[in-house]
Amino acid sequence: DVKVTQSSRYLVKRTGEKVFLECVQDMDHENMFWYRQDPGLGLRLIYFSYDVKMKEKGDIPEGYSVSREKKERFSLILESASTNQTSMYLCASSYSRQGVQPQHFGDGTRLSIL
Amino acid sequence: AQKITQTQPGMFVQEKEAVTLDCTYDTSDQSYGLFWYKQPSSGEMIFLIYQGSYDEQNATEGRYSLNFQKARKSANLVISASQLGDSAMYFCAMSGWDTDKLIFGTGTRLQVFP
Repeated sequence: DVKVTQSSRYLVKRTGEKVFLECVQDMDHENMFWYRQDPGLGLRLIYFSYDVKMKEKGDIPEGYSVSREKKERFSLILESASTNQTSMYLCASSYSRQGVQPQHFGDGTRLSIL
Repeated sequence: AQKITQTQPGMFVQEKEAVTLDCTYDTSDQSYGLFWYKQPSSGEMIFLIYQGSYDEQNATEGRYSLNFQKARKSANLVISASQLGDSAMYFCAMSGWDTDKLIFGTGTRLQVFP
């Protein structure tokens, strides 16, 4: 089975802090994704990556950056956390760009910015 | 642009009954994929079922089936013999054939009662 692991289930940070959310997958997937989920808005794509050291902006990249130094690890960075970034963050991975592949998700990180 | 619409914010069903969760989509792509995910209150996103736009037969996975009507651009999820553990949020999603980016609907909360 695919295993996508997010480093924290719950996280509380303060406004202005630099926040790192880590995601690791163990299935040698090429593609990795970061979403945020807010009530009534569904899931929105922040950033994604099709390869090591490669990144592409999703629909709401402002205020975020990402890092993919190794194939299995994809980090989301909040450069200067703000209260409107309080949300549920979900990481996902999928096998490759060939054809349509399901994405497999981690358990999510509930992030609160105070 | 692709869009997913789930018009049912909440649904109730009695245990052992079948239930249909609605999903309509909009896309100009000829090739695409449709997905359903389940999200229990614990937060993880669980992949349920997939339908490719060129698949002539409706997809089935155990108690889940996808009622795919291409001309109507609908991809409804049917859960047969509902169980209490089926209570969760359900999301419909789609992606184009040459991209793994998923577009999600806003979800339907299903509650199964005894």
